[in-house]
Amino acid sequence: DGGITQSPKYLFRKEGQNVTLSCEQNLNHDAMYWYRQDPGQGLRLIYYSQIVNDFQKGDIAEGYSVSREKKESFPLTVTSAQKNPTAFYLCATGDWTSTDTQYFGPGTRLTVL
Amino acid sequence: EDQVTQSPEALRLQEGESSSLNCSYTVSGLRGLFWYRQDPGKGPEFLFTLYSAGEEKEKERLKATLTKKESFLHITAPKPEDSATYLCAVHPNPRISNFGNEKLTFGTGTRLTIIP
Repeated sequence: DGGITQSPKYLFRKEGQNVTLSCEQNLNHDAMYWYRQDPGQGLRLIYYSQIVNDFQKGDIAEGYSVSREKKESFPLTVTSAQKNPTAFYLCATGDWTSTDTQYFGPGTRLTVL
Repeated sequence: EDQVTQSPEALRLQEGESSSLNCSYTVSGLRGLFWYRQDPGKGPEFLFTLYSAGEEKEKERLKATLTKKESFLHITAPKPEDSATYLCAVHPNPRISNFGNEKLTFGTGTRLTIIP
């Protein structure tokens, strides 16, 4: 079954703890993205990667970190420095050589207590 | 700076009542304009990509159109299952802006509710 998987679907953490959100894809797309979605604010780009071992900051990178060691995986760590981490997090891939489309995973809802 | 503005923020229609959603944009060279549908608690689902002014694409009760400044998502005779948030995004030409980086700029969406 092809696509983008994000795990877990729901995640609860205590304030001050770091947490890592998983994103895996088997679509063989080079580009991967992390967005944050809050009510009324649309999708805001956190980090993106266009190739393995390289990534760039998006519009709201503070308090987040990523790695891209494999083409299939782009994990996002929400650190204790992120002031308002409770949100819906979406991972996406970009196929800019064939279908010219961005595809989204099912999302992870993070709640910090 | 690339900008995308969607209107209205929310729209309630009776089943069968046709209407349009608007997406106004400013971008330094448009490579493509995307429409997505998002159901509550789920990731956005790709609907259409439009590339040049005058282009139209259709899928079931939805038709997307594009001008040089805006795009419309027309919904004809909607059904309750069409209720969702519809997102618009622009993909700037990386050769003109974004320093060669491929990334989209999204609007805040229109929340559509179809009442039976």
